[in-house]
Amino acid sequence: GIQVEQSPPDLILQEGANSTLRCNFSDSVNNLQWFHQNPWGQLINLFYIPSGTKQNGRLSATTVATERYSLLYISSSQTTDSGVYFCAVGVTGANSKLTFGKGITLSVRP
Amino acid sequence: EAQVTQNPRYLITVTGKKLTVTCSQNMNHEYMSWYRQDPGLGLRQIYYSMNVEVTDKGDVPEGYKVSRKEKRNFPLILESPSPNQTSLYFCASSSDRGDETQYFGPGTRLLVL
Repeated sequence: GIQVEQSPPDLILQEGANSTLRCNFSDSVNNLQWFHQNPWGQLINLFYIPSGTKQNGRLSATTVATERYSLLYISSSQTTDSGVYFCAVGVTGANSKLTFGKGITLSVRP
Repeated sequence: EAQVTQNPRYLITVTGKKLTVTCSQNMNHEYMSWYRQDPGLGLRQIYYSMNVEVTDKGDVPEGYKVSRKEKRNFPLILESPSPNQTSLYFCASSSDRGDETQYFGPGTRLLVL
């Protein structure tokens, strides 16, 4: 099956700093989503981005499908950005199943 | 508000006592799915449904049952729970047309003693 690798595994930032989270995947995908899992365990949908670039406030994401990677940018980080960020991909013909990476644990310190 | 709801959110039970975790979505989505999340193993798909009365196994279906009698509901049934089913469970839904964004419910934390 498809492999999803996220880096770095852990990230510690001071409030106000910017960061880039990376997701590499091993095959062509027809779905790619970024999620934020908050300390209460909820999975918050950030972006549906199988290709191209999107922005939502301080967050933006870019997927280069031909090179099989996606980047999530967080600017002017806040303590509420802390949590685990997951990249998840879907492959055509795979029942719409999402395969998740192991996640990136982000800690933003005040 | 478009959403996926799950109930209960937290559940402590004992081995062998049948339980059902409900999942409901109000977006008229065709596709629904259940995942479990475990430390070190990530999120894994249990069962999925492409539409009413159409369900199939995911990667870890053993010990679980599902049904899809109505489009909006997709309950997860544990007929004889065991401690290895202690986990965080998520229900998800998406449309099968155009934007395939999957929307996840808030999660159900299950502890089987």
